[in-house]
Parts: sequence; structure tokens; C-alpha cells
Amino acid sequence: QKEVEQNSGPLSVPEGAIASLNCTYSDRGSQSFFWYRQYSGKSPELIMSIYSNGDKEDGRFTAQLNKASQYVSLLIRDSQPSDSATYLCAVNRDTPLVFGKGTRLSVIA
Amino acid sequence: SAVISQKPSRDICQRGTSLTIQCQVDSQVTMMFWYRQQPGQSLTLIATANQGSEATYESGFVIDKFPISRPNLTFSTLTVSNMSPEDSSIYLCSVAGTSYEQYFGPGTRLTVT
Repeated sequence: QKEVEQNSGPLSVPEGAIASLNCTYSDRGSQSFFWYRQYSGKSPELIMSIYSNGDKEDGRFTAQLNKASQYVSLLIRDSQPSDSATYLCAVNRDTPLVFGKGTRLSVIA
Repeated sequence: SAVISQKPSRDICQRGTSLTIQCQVDSQVTMMFWYRQQPGQSLTLIATANQGSEATYESGFVIDKFPISRPNLTFSTLTVSNMSPEDSSIYLCSVAGTSYEQYFGPGTRLTVT
């Protein structure tokens, strides 16, 4: 059974700090990895995708992938109160994506 | 990314009735998905809807309860039949992008009384 595990949180960080969100997955054949942000009462929004080992940076966001350890992470630099949301990790080998339960991030001003 | 709309955005329904949720995409897409998200919970996949074929349902979801139509490459409907309060949830339509990513519609918030 394909599983994606995330710490449910809440993860609380002060404004301006780095938030680190982690995700592990069970299907070693997974090829594609995504991070979604979901504000309360809204639908998930794709913020990062990563397909190969290493780091991928986009603005304040960095996604990190280690396929050998079956581990994906998302770093948010200079965290802002507007980053407070639930972050969903998603993984696939075939469609559809397999989603984790999400980590709730709270950025404290 | 595709622009996805859903109707209705919210509804309050009586138990025993049915509600049909529409999902419209601004471009042709092969794969569409229907999810349910109960309060405070993560996403649960109900079914995958491909144009021209029967929907594929996940374990725990059956066609009689959640019939799906996919008449063309830009439109799909999900019906929640014979509703009970346990069906109160947010229902989300999603489409597959070109690199295995998925995009979500705004959701339909359903309350069954």
C-alpha cells in the first residue's frame, strides 16, 4: 500500500525563521513529488514540484528530495504570517497522486 | 495551469436527497479526479474519471452512491446520492497536468441536515 507520512503538527515558527516540513513515502518507485499549500477553507494550491534528487529553489521555498532515503522536505525561508497554512506532500509513480495528511504550520508574528 | 470552476460552491441539503456537483475546466484534460475532504482531515480520493470510459472508484466508494459522468474533455459531474449527515464534506474536483501534477477546483461545501 502506498503511503505518504507527514508530521501533523502544528509546527510553530517565529516570523523570519526557517520552517522545515518533512515527508516520507513508502513506494520506492515514486517518480514525482509535490508540495501543496492549503489555507483554511480553501482548496490545495501547488507550490513546488521536484523530480530528481537534490534541491530545487523557488523564491523563499526550497524543496529537497532524497530518493535513497525516501524523503522529501520543504524549507520556507523568512517565514511570514501569511505562510500559516496546512502543507500537503504528494507523491506518485502513476496517477493519481498519493497525499499525506498534511502538516499545519503556524508562523507567529 | 488549468482554471477549474465548480458549481455549486456550497449547499445545504436534506437527508435522503441527491446533489450533483459540476466541474468545468478551461482546457481539455484527459484525467479528472474527485476528492472528499472532511473537516480537519486530508484528501480522500473518491474516483478517477476519464472521458469515454467508466469511472474508477476507490475502495469504500461505489457508483450507486457517487455516480460520475464525464461527457467530454472539459466537464465532469459527481452526484452524491441518498445523502446522510455523514456525507457533509468538501468535494473537490482535480485535473492532471502535463508533468503528473494535479490542480484543484475551489471545492463544493456540502452540509446535509
